[in-house]
Amino acid sequence: AQKITQTQPGMFVQEKEAVTLDCTYDTSDPSYGLFWYKQPSSGEMIFLIYQGSYDQQNATEGRYSLNFQKARKSANLVISASQLGDSAMYFCAMREKYSGAGSYQLTFGKGTKLSVIP
Amino acid sequence: DSGVTQTPKHLITATGQRVTLRCSPRSGDLSVYWYQQSLDQGLQFLIQYYNGEERAKGNILERFSAQQFPDLHSELNLSSLELGDSALYFCASSVSGQRMNTEAFFGQGTRLTVV
Repeated sequence: AQKITQTQPGMFVQEKEAVTLDCTYDTSDPSYGLFWYKQPSSGEMIFLIYQGSYDQQNATEGRYSLNFQKARKSANLVISASQLGDSAMYFCAMREKYSGAGSYQLTFGKGTKLSVIP
Repeated sequence: DSGVTQTPKHLITATGQRVTLRCSPRSGDLSVYWYQQSLDQGLQFLIQYYNGEERAKGNILERFSAQQFPDLHSELNLSSLELGDSALYFCASSVSGQRMNTEAFFGQGTRLTVV
């Protein structure tokens, strides 16, 4: 079963508007972390924001915020005031304990391609 | 610049050949992760090393192997290459493999094309 599900293969948003990218996850571990990464056309993976499973408040980093709904197992990324430079692939990822090894692995969703329209 | 260095950036090789991808983690990072990104499979976790020891294994083929050296750089060895191995291979590093909130910093990737 998919651990991280991003149901929107592609999204369009008008410049200066806000956009929400969906992410749902599946884990039985009570302790986990959720991340969002941006991958522009140049290919590098850029860390955007992190949310821990025990964090009481939604994470925010500048124009990025994470709408964390633990009961629904969702961790949607909200980008406010979209800019042309936001056009990229966005990946949701989950870190959970790797069984038996005492460490954690990071599992990625398939990504959402965001296109910002002038 | 993430501080993670991957070489080479591009690699073209023939089927059946063997290649080595190299990764230098950020200064101070003990944990190295390898990922494969192909169009149809997304980002697949291959393997993780922490301070020289293998810590986690994902969907890594038996034809692939990796190691982390005492200076903490890592190499991913791909052998008996097939056309389907063509992908972008990422290395990522983090301070610790054992803390939940440690983000992984990615290198620029090595684009492997098998012809």
